[in-house]
Amino acid sequence: GAGVSQSPRYKVAKRGQDVALRCDPISGHVSLFWYQQALGQGPEFLTYFQNEAQLDKSGLPSDRFFAERPEGSVSTLKIQRTQQEDSAVYLCASSFRQGYEQYFGPGTRLTVT
Amino acid sequence: QKEVEQNSGPLSVPEGAIASLNCTYSDRGSQSFFWYRQYSGKSPELIMSIYSNGDKEDGRFTAQLNKASQYVSLLIRDSQPSDSATYLCAVNRGSSASKIIFGSGTRLSIRP
Repeated sequence: GAGVSQSPRYKVAKRGQDVALRCDPISGHVSLFWYQQALGQGPEFLTYFQNEAQLDKSGLPSDRFFAERPEGSVSTLKIQRTQQEDSAVYLCASSFRQGYEQYFGPGTRLTVT
Repeated sequence: QKEVEQNSGPLSVPEGAIASLNCTYSDRGSQSFFWYRQYSGKSPELIMSIYSNGDKEDGRFTAQLNKASQYVSLLIRDSQPSDSATYLCAVNRGSSASKIIFGSGTRLSIRP
């Protein structure tokens, strides 16, 4: 079956621009997660949804980061007024339910110039 | 102290040998433990999950969990060049089943 998909795969933004990153989870997966991965590091947790409810957003680095999953399926991670330190790979993962295995999408590589 | 610690490597193992990857974690309440493989430029791929003490085998891979020592390991038997990758240990927070904390990964290199 289809895995987790993300778009765009690559995004170059000028500093100060807003960006929106999309994640389409595996069908039927209740839980959806966003991570940020810097080069040479493991993924860092950003936020978690169970269906449409955002249950944990403790990892969002600033109020410029915003995530939503309005219908409990597709999710969007929005970054406002991008800064150079936002350059990273943004990974989305989904799981059947919380505590179970998470499956990752291919990621979006964001470069802020 | 990091919540999930791994030796960054690189760990170099000859083809056909056993590769042993180790991970320690700090939260005694953790219940779910995962190993992911990540090739350069790709996203993490789930290899193994383990939830109870002891060993769990899947093909050439064996995950070992010791909750008393807060230690998780991954053994790869008959190592192949295609096993060369970064291996990420991931552990859930005891206080939040949903929140997974990743280690920084161990780079494994299998030399022919």
